[in-house]
Amino acid sequence: GESVGLHLPTLSVQEGDNSIINCAYSNSASDYFIWYKQESGKGPQFIIDIRSNMDKRQGQRVTVLLNKTVKHLSLQIAATQPGDSAVYFCAEPSGGSNYKLTFGKGTLLTVNP
Amino acid sequence: EAQVTQNPRYLITVTGKKLTVTCSQNMNHEYMSWYRQDPGLGLRQIYYSMNVEVTDKGDVPEGYKVSRKEKRNFPLILESPSPNQTSLYFCASSLLGTQETQYFGPGTRLLVL
Repeated sequence: GESVGLHLPTLSVQEGDNSIINCAYSNSASDYFIWYKQESGKGPQFIIDIRSNMDKRQGQRVTVLLNKTVKHLSLQIAATQPGDSAVYFCAEPSGGSNYKLTFGKGTLLTVNP
Repeated sequence: EAQVTQNPRYLITVTGKKLTVTCSQNMNHEYMSWYRQDPGLGLRQIYYSMNVEVTDKGDVPEGYKVSRKEKRNFPLILESPSPNQTSLYFCASSLLGTQETQYFGPGTRLLVL
């Protein structure tokens, strides 16, 4: 039969536009979330984190929003630049341990000049 | 320069031939971890260590072993590699309690024939 590949979600934006990358989680008890950026050929790099007692946290050009009601978080990148092109992962501690991280499958962001 | 190093960066081997991928960090971090990254599956944690002689399983530990005899080193051992262990492997480290700000190595691409 036909095989179905697992495709990475993609987002393509124009340089200068704002980007929004989404992540859904399933464990309503999760209390901490992290966003990572992975450029081609490199390991992931920490961007920003947020704890469940917050709805919003801002960094330099990035903002993370957390909606606990629908178990959803998003990463917003302002004035997206070509250097922002990468795969973005959300991650959370899992298994009742703060030392065991579970990553989402990632979103590929492509910034067009 | 603060960094996490992995060796080798690329490796082709055959089924059943034991191999070790080394990981070393020069930041005096207590926490170290191994991940594998596969298309469509994102990053999955294999094993982690909170300090010397303290290791624990991540989400996909089957077929892997680790050891933490020294603080700076955290080798990943495949006693009998199989083709389903073909993957991109990342080592990471952080200070204990700040495991979210993990520093990732450059990755090791492994092909098991």
